[in-house]
Order: sequence, then structure tokens, then C-alpha cells
Amino acid sequence: DTEVTQTPKHLVMGMTNKKSLKCEQHMGHRAMYWYKQKAKKPPELMFVYSYEKLSINESVPSRFSPECPNSSLLNLHLHALQPEDSALYLCASSQDQSSLYEQYFGPGTRLTVT
Amino acid sequence: ILNVEQSPQSLHVQEGDSTNFTCSFPSSNFYALHWYRWETAKSPEALFVMTLNGDEKKKGRISATLNTKEGYSYLYIKGSQPEDSATYLCASFMYSGGGADGLTFGKGTHLIIQP
Repeated sequence: DTEVTQTPKHLVMGMTNKKSLKCEQHMGHRAMYWYKQKAKKPPELMFVYSYEKLSINESVPSRFSPECPNSSLLNLHLHALQPEDSALYLCASSQDQSSLYEQYFGPGTRLTVT
Repeated sequence: ILNVEQSPQSLHVQEGDSTNFTCSFPSSNFYALHWYRWETAKSPEALFVMTLNGDEKKKGRISATLNTKEGYSYLYIKGSQPEDSATYLCASFMYSGGGADGLTFGKGTHLIIQP
């Protein structure tokens, strides 16, 4: 199974809501990633978990909170988002964080903040 | 070059023709160059991971070359087919010296194959 799954596919939330994005892989990969992609821009790395240890991109606002409950699951908790946070959120995994390994991507969650 | 740049942004090619496009990346602190194909409504899919200067990789009709000294990679598609229509992303793996090390993507080349 070389699939990375993401739920939900689409999410509309208000600025006061709390919601979570979920990502799952069963390839035994030890690195998992969250990317954000806005229209006509490249995917931008937000967070990396390597062997369940978090590396943070310091430019990501604290209203985004990642969680890695186990090596197969990755969550992104959202709270008090702004309309400019509307984007496609992609999850990916790789064998480990080494540059040598290709990343496997999920189909993404399309988030709209109203 | 501070960012990963791809050109052209979009490309229309007649079915059966061959084509190529470019990825430019910072040559300092280089570790690896990744190419991904992203079809509409699907997940990005890895094509190649390249690390060595002068490296050349091939998968079917698609091939890629790498020049790490000057910071560029070319992707070639021979005999384009409609199923090659997609956005082709390149990404350079950069270590920041702390924080989230990983891929920095270009904006992609959107390829449309016309029957």
C-alpha cells in the first residue's frame, strides 16, 4: 500500500471554529510532513515529524498545531484561523527525513476559512 | 538564486512532439533535487530523486539531468502523450541548520498535450 490518505477532502470553517485535518500512511515511513499551497504558489513546508519528533518551521503561526499520535498518523489542529489561511493542505511521508527518499503525497484537504 | 525557479510556467505541446523544461536552484548547500508530477485531482507523484552532478535518470519516455555546480536540472519528455498533461514540480532539498529541513518547491511547469 503506497497510499497516503487525508481527511476531509474539503473543509469550510469560521474564524472561531476548531477543526482538525488528518493524514494516514501504512508504508512504515518514519518522516511525515505538512505543506500548505496557496493558488499559483509552490507547496510550502510547514512541519516535519521525523521518528515522531517535531521540527517546526518557525514562520508558521501558532494557530496551526501539529500532532503525531503514532508513526502512521499525523494531525493538524486548526484554531482561530484567518481567511488568508485558506489553501490546499498537503500531507506527505517518506522513508525517513533524508534528502535521498522520495515523498509520497496525499490528495490534500482544500480549506476555506470564512 | 535564492529560490527554486521553474520555466516556462506553462507549455502547450502537440501530441508526439518532444519537450523539455528547466528547474534552477541554489547550488550552495545542495543535497538533492526531486521531480514530481501532479495531475489534476490527484496526488503529486515522485518521478526522480537526483543527487550527483552529471546525474541522468530515465523512466520510460521521461528523463532528467542534473548540474549541481551551476544549479539547474532539465526534464525531458519524448513523444508526448495526452496522459503526460500535468504540472511538473521540482524541489531542492535544503538544510536550514535548524527547524524544518526539507523540500523547497518551484511553482511548477503546467504542461498541456494537445491531440
